[in-house]
Amino acid sequence: GAVVSQHPSRVICKSGTSVKIECRSLDFQATTMFWYRQFPKKSLMLMATSNEGSKATYEQGVEKDKFLINHASLTLSTLTVTSAHPEDSSFYICSARATSGRTYEQFFGPGTRLTVL
Amino acid sequence: AQSVTQLDSQVPVFEEAPVELRCNYSSSVSVYLFWYVQYPNQGLQLLLKYLSGSTLVKGINGFEAEFNKSQTSFHLRKPSVHISDTAEYFCAVRSTTLGGSNYKLTFGKGTLLTVNP
Repeated sequence: GAVVSQHPSRVICKSGTSVKIECRSLDFQATTMFWYRQFPKKSLMLMATSNEGSKATYEQGVEKDKFLINHASLTLSTLTVTSAHPEDSSFYICSARATSGRTYEQFFGPGTRLTVL
Repeated sequence: AQSVTQLDSQVPVFEEAPVELRCNYSSSVSVYLFWYVQYPNQGLQLLLKYLSGSTLVKGINGFEAEFNKSQTSFHLRKPSVHISDTAEYFCAVRSTTLGGSNYKLTFGKGTLLTVNP
């Protein structure tokens, strides 16, 4: 149980285009989902926290107009990288916190590798 | 606010040798502690966690960790490693307080464990 999926697993896009990444909790409902960015050889950097039905809370230094987050249901959150540039290339990982049961834990998705040409 | 320090960025060991990955944390509030493992191009998998109770916690794949409150440490150990344990290991903490931003995880920078034959 407690499986989180991400789609796509890899995406390559041209500079200036927008890319949407989906994060789904497959067998549980998630009150809160988190979006992280991971640079090579670096730790995970929390970008934003999203709660179902409300606006995401962005961490300091993260551009909310560039990284659009939508958490429309208890099982789906999306991250849209708008007008992507090569510096946005990274590994993006989502996690989800369950509404009941093991609420102390975050369950992580497998990540999405974004490459902007 | 919390911070996590993983003292070793890389730990090379030989197969079947014991290993200890060190983690120290700083926090003004009570915390839960976690160790995650990340294999190349994958998301994070929970190895073990300390919530309360016994300070020695056992996790998956033969790993264990000991919470030392006085030293604010949560070192990860395995008595005999395998080639397949080669991966990045992250220590993380979060507040025990419920609500809002308290659910955020703070990660260390990671330790790359390389097991050589």
